Amino acid sequence: ETGVTQSPTHLIKTRGQQVTLRCSSQSGHNTVSWYQQALGQGPQFIFQYYREEENGRGNFPPRFSGLQFPNYSSELNVNALELDDSALYLCASSLGPPKSSYNEQFFGPGTRLTVL
Amino acid sequence: QKEVEQDPGPLSVPEGAIVSLNCTYSNSAFQYFMWYRQYSRKGPELLMYTYSSGNKEDGRFTAQVDKSSKYISLFIRDSQPSDSATYLCAMIPTGGGNKLTFGTGTQLKVEL
Repeated sequence: ETGVTQSPTHLIKTRGQQVTLRCSSQSGHNTVSWYQQALGQGPQFIFQYYREEENGRGNFPPRFSGLQFPNYSSELNVNALELDDSALYLCASSLGPPKSSYNEQFFGPGTRLTVL
Repeated sequence: QKEVEQDPGPLSVPEGAIVSLNCTYSNSAFQYFMWYRQYSRKGPELLMYTYSSGNKEDGRFTAQVDKSSKYISLFIRDSQPSDSATYLCAMIPTGGGNKLTFGTGTQLKVEL
């Protein structure tokens, strides 16, 4: 069974640029959640996708957007990058549906984004 | 004020010590309580999961939830250097759609 994978591992961008981060969910999982973890902080929920539909969003501006594909892999896109976007971006997959009782989320290793 | 508060540490203990990690929270709707361990440059991994109040034990780890005080704890017995990591508490409210609210994380170092 393959775990959650994310690409790229590291990324350096400059302010104003756009970035796309990718996540492959664990085999059989249909729900993907994205989190932002700033240095020295806990992860913060960005949004969640269940069967290709957005299923909830945290307190992040619209320049953070996402997609989930039919194979349940997912992308996180961030437009007009700001310095404060520098963080570890974590993807977690689980077996839904999300409105049921707790379903264990399995995290990938993350993508470390640096915005200069 | 954050919904979940956690002392960031760092916490340094000798090998074999009992470690106590704690979180407080303000949202009384939280019903599912998790503890994650995160090694440097890795994603969080689930250690313990508890529903509502009570205790749960798994090997050297014990999780406690006191909903009346809005306080949760993780105890690590016979701590090992391999336990050195950041420990994150996380919570989900009833009907919360599996969206985790995390604490800041406590950095733990177990020294030989």
